[in-house]
This record gives sequence, C-alpha cells and structure tokens, in this order.
Amino acid sequence: DAGITQSPRYKITETGRQVTLMCHQTWSHSYMFWYRQDLGHGLRLIYYSAAADITDKGEVPDGYVVSRSKTENFPLTLESATRSQTSVYFCASSDGGGYGYTFGSGTRLTVV
Amino acid sequence: GIQVEQSPPDLILQEGANSTLRCNFSDSVNNLQWFHQNPWGQLINLFYIPSGTKQNGRLSATTVATERYSLLYISSSQTTDSGVYFCAVGDGNKLVFGAGTILRVKS
Repeated sequence: DAGITQSPRYKITETGRQVTLMCHQTWSHSYMFWYRQDLGHGLRLIYYSAAADITDKGEVPDGYVVSRSKTENFPLTLESATRSQTSVYFCASSDGGGYGYTFGSGTRLTVV
Repeated sequence: GIQVEQSPPDLILQEGANSTLRCNFSDSVNNLQWFHQNPWGQLINLFYIPSGTKQNGRLSATTVATERYSLLYISSSQTTDSGVYFCAVGDGNKLVFGAGTILRVKS
C-alpha cells in the first residue's frame, strides 16, 4: 500500500536498552522527519533528512541517532533509552515542493 | 528560533456552530501548514498555506504573512471535527509546531 508506515505501533522497553523505531514511505519523497509529541510541548523535531545520506539535527536531537541509506527508510534509534524519552514518535515525509507533510500513524514508546 | 502561538487553547462548540482558530508567529516564514489530529492520534494535513486563502469544503484558511498570522475557519462544525488543530511554520521544509487548539464539538 502506498503511504508512510511506522513500526512498531507500541513499544515498552527498559531503561538503558537500545531501541529502533522504523519509518518507511512509498512515495519517494526526498524529505523525511522524526518528531516527538509530549503533553504541553506539541510536536518537536528530533532529526530530519533532505535526501539519502543527508541528515541534520532538529530541536531535540540528544539521545537519538538516525540514518538514511535508502530514500524510503528513515529509522530512529535510541542508543540507551531513558524515561524522559517516553513519548509518541511521529515520522513524516514531504516532497519539498510545498504540498505539505504526510505523517505516519505514530509509535507510542514507554521506557520503564 | 521561530515562536508559534495558537489561540484559543481550548474550544467547545455545539454542532453546527462556526469557529475561528488563530496562529501567530514571530518571524518571516515561507512554509505554513495546518494539521488536524483526530482522537485516535492520526495527523492529517489540512492546508499548505504560506500566504493567501484556500478553501476545502467547510474548512478554509487565510495567512497574512506580512502581519505574521494565519486563521483557520471551520463552518457548520460536526462532531468529527473534534480533535487538536496544529499550526506549523518554517523556513523551508523544517517546521515548528504550535501547542495546538483542542476542539470539542458536542452533538
């Protein structure tokens, strides 16, 4: 199916563990983004990518790592999860041409 | 960085009523989008509107870039309009989101 898919939808992990959230889009959009949504903060940008092998930090990048070896995939890794990283994570893509973002369904991550 | 303020923070409407949501931003932008987050958490792009006016059914949006604000109009509201409305602005493709307006439409 065409679109942008995130996996898993829900994840519970322990403090200190590494966890990777997956994002896959089928439109060949050049831009991809990772946001986190927390009560009282709206959505905050973690990392973004303008093309394969090009990534850059957003507003809250500490504790996260991204890669983009293929245009369609943009995984987000928490190298050593902390409780403050409990959040809902959204991936988005854009063709950069001004037609707006498309968001995935989100991943609810709980760090215990 | 760019600051984005949305008002009102909360809004309760009776079905059929009209409403206006406002977004103020602190700097010049060339990208402004409105999103709706439904009660199940899905974020849907409503408008890409860095300037001017657009309409889509019962929804319309106007951005006055020179005065740094945008308005989202919802007419004849329905219960399915409930959720959170976000304004997001940016220079290029990187967006900064406002805190959102929570809309509840009662039947």
